[in-house]
Order: sequence, then structure tokens, then C-alpha cells
Amino acid sequence: NAGVTQTPKFQVLKTGQSMTLQCAQDMNHEYMSWYRQDPGMGLRLIHYSVGAGITDQGEVPNGYNVSRSTTEDFPLRLLSAAPSQTSVYFCASSYSRTDSYEQYFGPGTRLTVT
Amino acid sequence: GDSVTQMEGPVTLSEEAFLTINCTYTATGYPSLFWYVQYPGEGLQLLLKATKADDKGSNKGFEATYRKETTSFHLEKGSVQVSDSAVYFCALSGEGFKTIFGAGTRLFVKA
Repeated sequence: NAGVTQTPKFQVLKTGQSMTLQCAQDMNHEYMSWYRQDPGMGLRLIHYSVGAGITDQGEVPNGYNVSRSTTEDFPLRLLSAAPSQTSVYFCASSYSRTDSYEQYFGPGTRLTVT
Repeated sequence: GDSVTQMEGPVTLSEEAFLTINCTYTATGYPSLFWYVQYPGEGLQLLLKATKADDKGSNKGFEATYRKETTSFHLEKGSVQVSDSAVYFCALSGEGFKTIFGAGTRLFVKA
């Protein structure tokens, strides 16, 4: 199992450019999420999905779009990059258990917007 | 809404010292509680968890007890090593799978 994979690892964008961060998991997990990590703020939820074809907004969704056409893939699209979107982005997957939902994280994408 | 508050870092300790990282939470109902660890340049990984009051989660010498009366889930380790240097996140999941994370506490362990 590769677990959760993310590409690219690093990216530099100019203000106004668009791009897609890729995320895939091979564990057949139902739930997938995108977080951004900023210094002193922990992880903040951007968007999440509870299954193929179902997505919803998290805490900080503005400027980002997602789709979930398959169980495995959950790409995050930046529509028009802004310097405020400079951050480290983590994708995570999870599955339902009777007692808790453990998150499995990818290695992250470090994005800089100039 | 639900929230997690953990002590600010960085925490700097010498090898073999005792570690405590405080974590308190606010939640309705009976959330599951977690500690995640992030080593440099990596994503987060689950360190331990507890799913109900008075449960003790443990892993790799780390322990935390779910205290409902004080709404706390403090992380402890009796003797830290240099390899424990990382950022530690307290987290909860209440209704459903959505997880709320604390701000993280960076730990430095000196040889």
C-alpha cells in the first residue's frame, strides 16, 4: 500500500495562476479531506468528501474547488492563486469505524504564491 | 463549536527528561480524542487515541488519558529521546469524521 500520495511536493505560482494539487489513496477509504497548515494555526479544513460524488466545504473553502469522481482521487483546485494561499497543503483519508475516525495523511505540498 | 487548545511551544527538554504537553477541549457530546505527531518534512501520523472517558491511549512510551471532568487529554512521556523532536497536535472528532486540530506544540530534545 502506498497510502496517501500527493503531487507535487513543491510548487511556486504567480498571483492569478491556477493549478491542481493531486491526492490519491489506495486504502479504499470513504472519507477524504484537504487541510492547510499555517504557522501557529494548526490544520484548517478546506474541503472534504464522504464518498465519490459527494463533497462539502470546510472551515476555509474560499478560493478552492474540489471534486470526487472516484473513491481513490480527491484533487484540490486553486482557481486564481493569491499570496494568502501560500501554505502547506495536506490531504488525508479516513474510514468509518464504530468508535473513531483516524486520519491518514499524505506528505504534503508546499505552495508559494508570489 | 468544538475546539482544541494546547500549550504553546516550543518546548525544549534534555534527553531523558519528563514530557507533558497540555491539551484541553470543548465539545458537545462524547468526542474521540487523538494525538498526532509530525516529524520534519512529513505529514501527520496518529500517535495515540482514546474514544471514551477514562480511556488511556498509549504508544511508543507516550500516554494520554481522556478526562471528561476536566475536558483534558494531556500527553506525557517519562523519558524523551532526541528522536522525539517533532510537532505534536491534539485533535478531536465529534459528530462524524471531521477532525478539529489544535495549533500544535513543537518539541525540541537536546542530547
